Amino acid sequence: RKEVEQDPGPFNVPEGATVAFNCTYSNSASQSFFWYRQDCRKEPKLLMSVYSSGNEDGRFTAQLNRASQYISLLIRDSKLSDSATYLCVVNRAGNAGNMLTFGGGTRLMVKP
Amino acid sequence: EPEVTQTPSHQVTQMGQEVILRCVPISNHLYFYWYRQILGQKVEFLVSFYNNEISEKSEIFDDQFSVERPDGSNFTLKIRSTKLEDSAMYFCASRDQGHYGYTFGSGTRLTVV
Repeated sequence: RKEVEQDPGPFNVPEGATVAFNCTYSNSASQSFFWYRQDCRKEPKLLMSVYSSGNEDGRFTAQLNRASQYISLLIRDSKLSDSATYLCVVNRAGNAGNMLTFGGGTRLMVKP
Repeated sequence: EPEVTQTPSHQVTQMGQEVILRCVPISNHLYFYWYRQILGQKVEFLVSFYNNEISEKSEIFDDQFSVERPDGSNFTLKIRSTKLEDSAMYFCASRDQGHYGYTFGSGTRLTVV
């Protein structure tokens, strides 16, 4: 089983649509969770951290279900500029390394 | 906004040659990392560096790879004898103590021919 698994997409949605991405992770010792955004041939950029209680940042809402080892990202009112690959990322803490484990990403294309 | 700077942005090298990829992390950050992304694949962890030593490394980071922080500012990744399969985008990242979100540099695209 992959450590972090995502549907690769692509998700093709019209502007203004609501779209949801899901992610599952296999390591129950994972402690921190993130969504990163990556544009084509660019570096990953932190979109938001994901907290157990769920959290919202503008049009973006992230949820975490530790029991199911499941993370989600909801984007409301999609903009053309939201077109990118969304990376689900988990962090295994417990040592000074704190390495991030990336999912393969879900590609979103927002059309006019 | 502070940023992680990487040079060069693109490097082409012949198989068997040594390459050094350079990074300047954010100045007050304490943890430094190298990740790589082969075209079309996921981002993979290579190595983490803290307190002037490697704290963790992946299976990818074999004897051909080394890292150094020579002067308190730069953080380098050296590949001693490059192979075709080393062709990838290499990302440097840094973070502050107590924060788990990283800042990534814009990457060096390494092409081994």
